[in-house]
Amino acid sequence: EVQLMESGGGLVQPGGSLTLSCAASGFSFRDYYMMWVRHTPRKGLEVVANIKSDGSAKNYVDSVRGRFTVSRDNAKNSLYLLMSHLTAEDTGRYYCARENYWTMDFWGHGTLVTVSS
Amino acid sequence: DVVLTQSPLSLPVTLGQPASISCRSSRGLANYDGVTYLAWFHQRPGQSPRRLIYEVSNRDSGAPDRFSGSGSDTDFTLQITRVEAEDVGVYYCMQGTHWPRTFGQGTKVEIK
Repeated sequence: EVQLMESGGGLVQPGGSLTLSCAASGFSFRDYYMMWVRHTPRKGLEVVANIKSDGSAKNYVDSVRGRFTVSRDNAKNSLYLLMSHLTAEDTGRYYCARENYWTMDFWGHGTLVTVSS
Repeated sequence: DVVLTQSPLSLPVTLGQPASISCRSSRGLANYDGVTYLAWFHQRPGQSPRRLIYEVSNRDSGAPDRFSGSGSDTDFTLQITRVEAEDVGVYYCMQGTHWPRTFGQGTKVEIK
């Protein structure tokens, strides 16, 4: 059974940083592109970033490029999102998702990020 | 960015009756490989989104056969032949052809 489990969310002050993690199981993690998707009050569902199966290519949405970094450790079946210079507009639930047929076939339950002073 | 516009945004339905949701794209979604990467997702309250349809009309395993997808280029439709109580929630279309990947704003389905 495919399982994706996010962690690392929480309350952070504007300008602060946070690292999200996603532990994957039940499939061959190293064979799949992975992505981070967020659900925010202002923009709804938004794909934040994706990363190629071997980590050699990454894409970001314009609103986070230069502030967020996606990475993975295939030996640990783990996906990460380092977020810095956070603003209130980054508040939302962040999902880890497996990419298949260029969309997402499995999602985690998400982790909540709140940016507030 | 590609804008996906769904209609209606709210859809009250009667159990056992059909329902249909439209998704229109600001740009054609056929990829250079000839495949159109348009998917539909269903999100129940308190749950993560779940994909129902990929590549316009292919149903995911586990998705009930009362769900079907159709369309091409910029116009797409999700149809439910007979709505059941478990179908309530929000439905999203999403395109995977162009970066950034984008979602529609969502259609909330509720039982009358």
